[in-house]
Amino acid sequence: NAGVTQTPKFRILKIGQSMTLQCTQDMNHNYMYWYRQDPGMGLKLIYYSVGAGITDKGEVPNGYNVSRSTTEDFPLRLELAAPSQTSVYFCASSADRVNGYTFGSGTRLTVV
Amino acid sequence: RKEVEQDPGPFNVPEGATVAFNCTYSNSASQSFFWYRQDCRKEPKLLMSVYSSGNEDGRFTAQLNRASQYISLLIRDSKLSDSATYLCVVNDQAGTALIFGKGTTLSVSS
Repeated sequence: NAGVTQTPKFRILKIGQSMTLQCTQDMNHNYMYWYRQDPGMGLKLIYYSVGAGITDKGEVPNGYNVSRSTTEDFPLRLELAAPSQTSVYFCASSADRVNGYTFGSGTRLTVV
Repeated sequence: RKEVEQDPGPFNVPEGATVAFNCTYSNSASQSFFWYRQDCRKEPKLLMSVYSSGNEDGRFTAQLNRASQYISLLIRDSKLSDSATYLCVVNDQAGTALIFGKGTTLSVSS
């Protein structure tokens, strides 16, 4: 049982480039989330989804886009990378709104 | 007032010590409470849920005081392997997502 899988684990982008961070879960969870974590800071919610075809903005959505075409996948898109997007990105899923999340191992992104 | 506040530490304790972490939250309507553990350069992992009556899991005890909007985590008989950052987590006002504190760092030494 893989849980939540994120790819890539590391990436260096140049300013203005775009990329997609992949997130897949095999637990049939309806709820999925993207967070970013900057050094010494708490996790900040970027986007979330309560089911296939439904997405909504979190606390820090600017510069990002998401889609949820299937229950399993929740990719995060960066269109024009900026240095401020240098961070560690975590994808998470949960079965409902009451229980805790299962996190992926994260993607460390550096924008130079 | 920040949504979830924790003392960042670090807490440096010897093996076998008892250590307590505290956390306050601003949303009086929060219904879900958790403690997560995060090792250096790793993802957060659920340590335990926190229930109104308080709950215990081995050496770990969590308490919730809704009136004071206060959550605590007590670790007894600390082990070297307990060294990590402990995140206090509550659900947001809409009940949609979880809000994470910045974490409290624990270092257990021999």
